[in-house]
Amino acid sequence: KAGVTQTPRYLIKTRGQQVTLSCSPISGHRSVSWYQQTPGQGLQFLFEYFSETQRNKGNFPGRFSGRQFSNSRSEMNVSTLELGDSALYLCASSPSGGSQYNEQFFGPGTRLTVL
Amino acid sequence: QKEVEQNSGPLSVPEGAIASLNCTYSDRGSQSFFWYRQYSGKSPELIMFIYSNGDKEDGRFTAQLNKASQYVSLLIRDSQPSDSATYLCAVNLDTGRRALTFGSGTRLQVQP
Repeated sequence: KAGVTQTPRYLIKTRGQQVTLSCSPISGHRSVSWYQQTPGQGLQFLFEYFSETQRNKGNFPGRFSGRQFSNSRSEMNVSTLELGDSALYLCASSPSGGSQYNEQFFGPGTRLTVL
Repeated sequence: QKEVEQNSGPLSVPEGAIASLNCTYSDRGSQSFFWYRQYSGKSPELIMFIYSNGDKEDGRFTAQLNKASQYVSLLIRDSQPSDSATYLCAVNLDTGRRALTFGSGTRLQVQP
């Protein structure tokens, strides 16, 4: 089974621009979560999508948004980029179902650098 | 108080020894617990998960959970240099939702 894929792998943007990152989950997985990883703050939860609906949201400003498509692929968007948005953005895929299907599997990440 | 706490390390052990990694969490309602391994420059890789009190073994890895003490640990037996990485403890309050809270990670160094 193919793993989680994320594109692009690297991005360089300047302050004020916006960016869209893409994630394709493991086949059959319907839950996609996004995380931000920085040296200072570690790994932090951004949001989760399930069946095209945002099911949970972390403590990030409204500049961070996302969506999920009917094929479970997900995108996240960051508008008006700030220097502090430089980070590794990770997508995690999880099967749907009951509590025993709670495990999340991470993609390789997108390294975003804001200049 | 951080929600999930780990000793940042580095934890240094000789090859073949048992490495013991510890994690405490603050929310008593936490339902599920995960250990991820992250090599430098790579994304986290799930190595163990545990939902019930007690021990869970998978190969050289054993996860231990004590909900009364709000404590979860990971033991790595017969440690190898390839085990050198950062180990992240993650906790999920609600199994119906996929919002993991991570510790800052413990860096493990296995000396050949």
